[in-house]
Amino acid sequence: AQSVTQLGSHVSVSEGALVLLRCNYSSSVPPYLFWYVQYPNQGLQLLLKYTTGATLVKGINGFEAEFKKSETSFHLTKPSAHMSDAAEYFCAVSINTNAGKSTFGDGTTLTVKP
Amino acid sequence: DTAVSQTPKYLVTQMGNDKSIKCEQNLGHDTMYWYKQDSKKFLKIMFSYNNKELIINETVPNRFSPKSPDKAHLNLHINSLELGDSAVYFCASSPLGGGGYNEQFFGPGTRLTVL
Repeated sequence: AQSVTQLGSHVSVSEGALVLLRCNYSSSVPPYLFWYVQYPNQGLQLLLKYTTGATLVKGINGFEAEFKKSETSFHLTKPSAHMSDAAEYFCAVSINTNAGKSTFGDGTTLTVKP
Repeated sequence: DTAVSQTPKYLVTQMGNDKSIKCEQNLGHDTMYWYKQDSKKFLKIMFSYNNKELIINETVPNRFSPKSPDKAHLNLHINSLELGDSAVYFCASSPLGGGGYNEQFFGPGTRLTVL
């Protein structure tokens, strides 16, 4: 079975500062990893994903994440936070069986201060 | 065109009532899901259907019954509603049988409030 842990349920940064949201996973087979963003009163939308190949993955809105197998991590970063980045962020893991079921982390609320 | 749509967006009802939430996707995906998001924003999968067949059924009370009339639709019927059923329910879909490596496309959610 796979699982994912998001460290820090709330992260607060100043506008223009680095954003770092942490995600660690557990999986007995090679994982597929995802970051989703949820804006207030909306559904989740994909930011980026890692399946195979290049371990540094670039997504929408200037976000990127690096798959580090040795650390079982998939942290999300953005060099410079914007007010519009304030949202809930979910890390998710799935494997190539289990009918495409993704296991989601508990989410991290990102607050951006002016 | 909305990719994954849900109706209604808001649902307020009394304990003990029966209600349904409908979901439709126009992406041509094979797999559809229902998730429950509680007040702390925790997201839990409830069901998954692949080509109208149930493939994931998490430990959900049998008061919840999904129905997939065709590949593009997945409805959720809830009997005898309880206070603890209050949550936001999300429908999602993904292509190619769900295949692990495919992302999911989420609907806007249905906020259910049980009084």
